Amino acid sequence: GQQVMQIPQYQHVQEGEDFTTYCNSSTTLSNIQWYKQRPGGHPVFLIQLVKSGEVKKQKRLTFQFGEAKKNSSLHITATQTTDVGTYFCAGPGTGFQKLVFGTGTRLLVSP
Amino acid sequence: DVKVTQSSRYLVKRTGEKVFLECVQDMDHENMFWYRQDPGLGLRLIYFSYDVKMKEKGDIPEGYSVSREKKERFSLILESASTNQTSMYLCASSLNLNSLYNSPLHFGNGTRLTVT
Repeated sequence: GQQVMQIPQYQHVQEGEDFTTYCNSSTTLSNIQWYKQRPGGHPVFLIQLVKSGEVKKQKRLTFQFGEAKKNSSLHITATQTTDVGTYFCAGPGTGFQKLVFGTGTRLLVSP
Repeated sequence: DVKVTQSSRYLVKRTGEKVFLECVQDMDHENMFWYRQDPGLGLRLIYFSYDVKMKEKGDIPEGYSVSREKKERFSLILESASTNQTSMYLCASSLNLNSLYNSPLHFGNGTRLTVT
């Protein structure tokens, strides 16, 4: 079945450093979504990308969808302690309205 | 704002017990989902439903069943709980866009189930 892999699994940075997580799919995706889960919380939707090569920004977060629509990335500039959490990408699964989640990247930010 | 409510935050059950996890959403969403979350494995889809009384198996349905008798409520049932079903269970809902694009998922706070 479809697989969505994320790397790295875990990253620990100092506050102010940049951070990037990468998402790779075994199949072409019609769209990709990103979610953030704070420690002890539930995943919260951040953004959706639908076009090949699309780049979207939310303040210090930059999301990119690959040209082949099989990969995506999330880049955080100048991390803050509020960025701590696990970031998941998710793409359509086979079948109707399903979402397949990546394995997630856990980000820890030290002050 | 969408609210997805799961009936219990923590549950402890014994092996062999029948377990019901309840989920209610208040935004008239057509789609509802049950995921389990385990360290290093991300979120894995157990079952989903796109309409009342309709259900589809996800990636790991074995040992689980579901019920959707009303649009706002989606129940996950563990017929005979086992220790390998100890996990965080997340319910989610979304609109049915009837298109190639997926509507964002709105998650509940999760139920941490421990089976002893």
